[in-house]
Order: sequence, then structure tokens, then C-alpha cells
Amino acid sequence: ETGVTQSPTHLIKTRGQQVTLRCSSQSGHNTVSWYQQALGQGPQFIFQYYREEENGRGNFPPRFSGLQFPNYSSELNVNALELDDSALYLCASSDPGAGELFFGEGSRLTVL
Amino acid sequence: GESVGLHLPTLSVQEGDNSIINCAYSNSASDYFIWYKQESGKGPQFIIDIRSNMDKRQGQRVTVLLNKTVKHLSLQIAATQPGDSAVYFCAENMGGGAQKLVFGQGTRLTINP
Repeated sequence: ETGVTQSPTHLIKTRGQQVTLRCSSQSGHNTVSWYQQALGQGPQFIFQYYREEENGRGNFPPRFSGLQFPNYSSELNVNALELDDSALYLCASSDPGAGELFFGEGSRLTVL
Repeated sequence: GESVGLHLPTLSVQEGDNSIINCAYSNSASDYFIWYKQESGKGPQFIIDIRSNMDKRQGQRVTVLLNKTVKHLSLQIAATQPGDSAVYFCAENMGGGAQKLVFGQGTRLTINP
């Protein structure tokens, strides 16, 4: 069974740029969630995708957007990067009927 | 607002002792709670969960207690080992269709030899 994988693991961008982060869900899981974890904080829910549709969103501006593909993999896109977007971005997959989320190792984004 | 908090940001215990990590949650409508362990440079790892219709659940060396009256959650780790050193997060599922977890700030557990 393959776990949740994310890419890239680390990246550096400058203010105003755009970034795309990628996630492959665990085998058999059709629901993907994205979380932002600032240094020293707990993860914060960005949004969730189920069957290629957004299924719930946290308090993040529209410049945070996502996609889910037919194979259940997902992308997180952030436009017009700000310094405060520097964080670890975590992807988690799950079955919709189960509560447990399985997290990947995250993509660490630094915005300069 | 939404919040899941922890009483202590750091906890130091002796190897072999039991550890108790506490958590207060704010939403009485939350129906599912999870404890995660996060080691440095890694993603959160599931430890144990509990649904709101239960008050106790046991796993291997871990026990979660839920007190809905005072909206309190605790994680007990028996015979703490060096490999238990990590940051521990409690999280609540606010219910509804999406599995939207609200995480606390975390407690860093360090093990003294």
C-alpha cells in the first residue's frame, strides 16, 4: 500500500510569484485535504476535494485554489505569494466514511 | 471562534514513566477527535481516535479519554520511550460533510533518560 506522497519537498519563491504543490493520495482513498502549518503551530484546514469537487473550505483567500484529478491526486495552487504564506503544506487523504486522515510529509514553502 | 487548545506547550517526563497530554476543545458539536504525533521534519502521524459517543479508548500503550461535560480530551502514554519524543496534537472534527479537522497548537513531549 502506497502512502501519501507530496512534491516538491522544499521550495523557495519570492513575493508575488505563484506556486503549485502536488499530492498523490494513499491507494484507495478518494478524498484529499490540504492543510497549512506555520512554524510552531498546528495545521490549519485549507480545503478538501472529493470526486474532483471542492468539499469544504477553511478561512483562506481565493488565491489559494486546488484541483483533484480522476486518479484522486491533487494540486494546491497559491497565487500572488505573500511572506506569510511561508509554511509547511500538508496533504492528507482519507475515505469519506472514515474519520482518519493520513498525512504526507509535506512541502515546505519559503517566500522571500 | 474555532479553537482546540492545549494546557501545556511542553512536557518533560522520565523514560519509563507515564505521560499525560491534555487538550481543551471549544465546539460541543464536534463528533470525532484524533491525536496525532509529529516528529521533526515529518507529517502528522495518527495515534488514536475517539468518537463523541465514547469516553475512553485504548490502543497499544496509549489511551484517550474524552470528557464532553467539560470539553476535555487527554492522551495517556504508558511507559514512555525515547521514540515518543515529538509534538502531539489533538484535533477535532467539526462534523458535517467535510472532514475538517481543527488542530490545537501542540505539546512538545521530551523524554529524559
